[in-house]
Amino acid sequence: DQQVKQNSPSLSVQEGRISILNCDYTNSMFDYFLWYKKYPAEGPTFLISISSIKDKNEDGRFTVFLNKSAKHLSLHIVPSQPGDSAVYFCAASTAGGSYIPTFGRGTSLIVHP
Amino acid sequence: EAQVTQNPRYLITVTGKKLTVTCSQNMNHEYMSWYRQDPGLGLRQIYYSMNVEATDKGDVPEGYKVSRKEKRNFPLILESPSPNQTSLYFCASYSSGANVLTFGAGSRLTVL
Repeated sequence: DQQVKQNSPSLSVQEGRISILNCDYTNSMFDYFLWYKKYPAEGPTFLISISSIKDKNEDGRFTVFLNKSAKHLSLHIVPSQPGDSAVYFCAASTAGGSYIPTFGRGTSLIVHP
Repeated sequence: EAQVTQNPRYLITVTGKKLTVTCSQNMNHEYMSWYRQDPGLGLRQIYYSMNVEATDKGDVPEGYKVSRKEKRNFPLILESPSPNQTSLYFCASYSSGANVLTFGAGSRLTVL
């Protein structure tokens, strides 16, 4: 039973356009959400996070939106660049679980020049 | 440089031959964890450790063992590897201050 779902295994976007990666969760106890980025032959690296007390967090070209009522979060990348091509993992955690995250299955983003 | 180091990075072995994948972190993190990544299945947790001598099963612990005798090291042991353990393995440690996992570069294991 997946508690964190990324329903799109892949996404293809033109350079300069917006990339939107989606993530849904089922556990209402989750209160901290993260996105990790993974390049081939490397380990995942932390990209951006958001606490449940916020609905938006922005870091440069990356913005994460949280809709708690819908149990949905999304990562927006604007503008997309070829170097953004990677697998993106959504993760969620609870303060009671010592912030140990549960991961989604990942979305492979390809940004075409 | 703060990092998680895994060895070996690549390994081809045969069914039943015991192997150990080492993991070491230099950040004094209490929490460490092992994941495997398989196509279409994302990152699945194998085992984790909240501190020295404290380990617990994750989502897919069958066929694996771990130990945590010292804070910096968290080896993953495959006593009798089987082909279904062919996968990409990641070790990670956790910073409670930053609420972020730091991953190693990965170990690609093939069991023939």
